[in-house]
Amino acid sequence: GAVVSQHPSRVICKSGTSVKIECRSLDFQATTMFWYRQFPKQSLMLMATSNEGSKATYEQGVEKDKFLINHASLTLSTLTVTSAHPEDSSFYICSAPDPNEAFFGQGTRLTVV
Amino acid sequence: QKEVEQDPGPLSVPEGAIVSLNCTYSNSAFQYFMWYRQYSRKGPELLMYTYSSGNKEDGRFTAQVDKSSKYISLFIRDSQPSDSATYLCAMSRNDYKLSFGAGTTVTVRA
Repeated sequence: GAVVSQHPSRVICKSGTSVKIECRSLDFQATTMFWYRQFPKQSLMLMATSNEGSKATYEQGVEKDKFLINHASLTLSTLTVTSAHPEDSSFYICSAPDPNEAFFGQGTRLTVV
Repeated sequence: QKEVEQDPGPLSVPEGAIVSLNCTYSNSAFQYFMWYRQYSRKGPELLMYTYSSGNKEDGRFTAQVDKSSKYISLFIRDSQPSDSATYLCAMSRNDYKLSFGAGTTVTVRA
């Protein structure tokens, strides 16, 4: 099946710094990618939809100025957590659909200290 | 009320038992129904994918969708310790935005 690669798998950063997470579709083109967040023992919650060549659309309650999304090519979307705070510590997962299903990246464990 | 309800468990069964998982939902616009398996600290992987109502079988896994009751199920036959994971139901309209259940943690005891 299709492969979505997400990098890094784990990152620890200091409070106030920014962190960039990459999501790549390796063997197919993805005009749309989705970013989810998962807190411990909770389910995945959709944060935003990344659209190639246009602005991302954010779910209610997600700060677009804090979670910057760029989808500059058909195979790469990036999520930048700006001015990270400890409450942003979470598991972030990207997803890219092809015609039949949604493929997920491996996830990024972000810890803000 | 959450859009998708799933009992988080945990659920513990002996090896060889049938694992029964289910979700209910409130949005009648959902047409695509999926079950994902997630191991600790990993991204979810697709197990079963069903469009609209009906049953689908794949090896030891059977997925059922009852749209009239807004109820979906996943059955795992002859469960193995390697089936120990968190199982997430997910569903969408036709835009690939997935709404997830809370996930049920399953442990299969050897």
